[in-house]
Amino acid sequence: SQTIHQWPATLVQPVGSPLSLECTVEGTSNPNLYWYRQAAGRGLQLLFYSVGIGQISSEVPQNLSASRPQDRQFILSSKKLLLSDSGFYLCAWTPLDVAATNEKLFFGSGTQLSVL
Amino acid sequence: SQQGEEDPQALSIQEGENATMNCSYKTSINNLQWYRQNSGRGLVHLILIRSNEREKHSGRLRVTLDTSKKSSSLLITASRAADTASYFCATNKVGGSEKLVFGKGMKLTVNP
Repeated sequence: SQTIHQWPATLVQPVGSPLSLECTVEGTSNPNLYWYRQAAGRGLQLLFYSVGIGQISSEVPQNLSASRPQDRQFILSSKKLLLSDSGFYLCAWTPLDVAATNEKLFFGSGTQLSVL
Repeated sequence: SQQGEEDPQALSIQEGENATMNCSYKTSINNLQWYRQNSGRGLVHLILIRSNEREKHSGRLRVTLDTSKKSSSLLITASRAADTASYFCATNKVGGSEKLVFGKGMKLTVNP
């Protein structure tokens, strides 16, 4: 069966420090991978998505970047965090063979990031 | 950009009552999905309805879709305290490629 792992669960970082959040998927190949951010009291904002290794689509201009060094690994990074980067970050995946019809997303458990 | 908008933003009911949540969207869609999120956790998929479908059932869940009004509703029948969570609608827009766009969510509280 497929599983998605996202870590860490919580993170407190000072302003200006770097960030690296990691997400891995097991039990599938060639998944579509997504990073969402959820600010308090707001919906989910799509940050990045990837349909393959090295292929990253950015949805909004921001202080963050994403990389996909391996088929089932998706990393969210920042060189210097801002206060506004605080939020709940969620990784998700869909099977590539049904991505054309955008079947359901499978979410990780999320990372609560507090930038102080 | 926000596509779906849930209504109401918060709902509090008693166990055993039905809960109805509405979602409106702006553009043509391939499908509309409902997700549930317990506090501090990831989202869990509940049900998907395609643009050519009008109604779908899954257990105590009933989803309707009216593409002419660009709206959907999620009905939870015979609610339980364990149904307390936030509920989100998400849409896959026509021409929207691999993306799902989520609404702001609706907080449902079921009181025992």
